[in-house]
Amino acid sequence: AQSVAQPEDQVNVAEGNPLTVKCTYSVSGNPYLFWYVQYPNRGLQFLLKYITGDNLVKGSYGFEAEFNKSQTSFHLKKPSALVSDSALYFCAVRSPNAGNMLTFGGGTRLMVKP
Amino acid sequence: EAGVVQSPRYKIIEKKQPVAFWCNPISGHNTLYWYRQNLGQGPELLIRYENEEAVDDSQLPKDRFSAERLKGVDSTLKIQPAELGDSAVYLCASSFPSTADTQYFGPGTRLTVL
Repeated sequence: AQSVAQPEDQVNVAEGNPLTVKCTYSVSGNPYLFWYVQYPNRGLQFLLKYITGDNLVKGSYGFEAEFNKSQTSFHLKKPSALVSDSALYFCAVRSPNAGNMLTFGGGTRLMVKP
Repeated sequence: EAGVVQSPRYKIIEKKQPVAFWCNPISGHNTLYWYRQNLGQGPELLIRYENEEAVDDSQLPKDRFSAERLKGVDSTLKIQPAELGDSAVYLCASSFPSTADTQYFGPGTRLTVL
């Protein structure tokens, strides 16, 4: 069975500082990895994904994520946080061995303070 | 391009009452998903359709939940009768059928069962 762990319930960062939201996964075969963001009373909004190729993936709103196969991680990063980045972030994994089933982590709340 | 449309956005019902949720996917997306998101958790897949065929409904509580996608476009998810524990946000998503394709989510329906 595939699984995703987001070890931090909440991450606090000051505006302008770099941010990292952690994600580790467990899957059989090659993983497809995704990050979504959820604002209050809104659906999930796609940020970026890793399928194959370059381990560093760039996405929307200045976010990027690095795929690390040996550490089975896919941490989300941004060089300079904005107050408007405050939201709930979800990491998700899918494997061709598990069909199209997308498994989500429990989410990490990012709080960016002015 | 229009996104995934869901209605209603909010629904409050008494326990034992029936309820239905409607979803219109992004045009051209063959694959449609229904997820349930409990408070403070990541979404969990209920059912996946490829066109009008339900190809993965292993997580759907079939004693009270049902879904249909008769013409391979719009879909309806029904609960009858609703229980207190069904209170959650019900999310619809759609994608092209490849495992690598991104799932795009609607805004969700927040169900409260009293």
